[in-house]
Amino acid sequence: QSALTQPRSVSGSPGQSVTISCTGTSSDVGGYNYVSWYQQYPGKAPKVMIYDVSKRPSGVPDRFSGSKSGNTASLTISGLQADDEADYYCCSYAGSYIWLFGGGTKLTVL
Amino acid sequence: QLQLQESGPGLVKPSETLSLTCTVSGGSISSSNYYWGWIRQPPGKGLEWIGSIYYNERIYYNPSLKSRVTISVDTSKNQFSLKVSSVTAADTAVYYCMRSPLGVYATMSWGQGTLVTVSS
Repeated sequence: QSALTQPRSVSGSPGQSVTISCTGTSSDVGGYNYVSWYQQYPGKAPKVMIYDVSKRPSGVPDRFSGSKSGNTASLTISGLQADDEADYYCCSYAGSYIWLFGGGTKLTVL
Repeated sequence: QLQLQESGPGLVKPSETLSLTCTVSGGSISSSNYYWGWIRQPPGKGLEWIGSIYYNERIYYNPSLKSRVTISVDTSKNQFSLKVSSVTAADTAVYYCMRSPLGVYATMSWGQGTLVTVSS
């Protein structure tokens, strides 16, 4: 299996919305509704923001939302805030208890 | 409150075996409600799933690492461990241990991570 494909970087101004894509195949993203998204600050462990494509864990603001179409999943952050600036990773179940991560996307808040 | 703490040598020589332990507090490693595992991140790079272990001792590994990786559980110490054999510089990474509820297909709890450098 190959890593999922994410854009290396995205940017947006405070208050705007940004969307980060995560492209896989029919064997992972397209085959299961088990895509998760993680936020990671430098030097810190990742934190789950979205799981099962669109579910938010308790405590995650509803500014964060997830969706999927075909082999591509997306994370949308609305009402951008300065502290949203971080790296974001997608992850998908790929069957047989195997997991694939994306390469990560650096979000810059302008 | 669950806490996961990785521990082990921060420096390993090439061709040797990397060994890490994750100590679990605030929860039981024997619980049938959770699964445990390891994820790593080379410096400046992305995340890579290494493997997961379930309460029934079923273990699943990343196919790209399977021949060199072993995950095991020590219920008496409430710990689980990772061994990676025949390491090279490419195994230099921050290693995270994790826990998730059974049936949840995401990493819900992470350790703080520990950097392991492979160098002579």
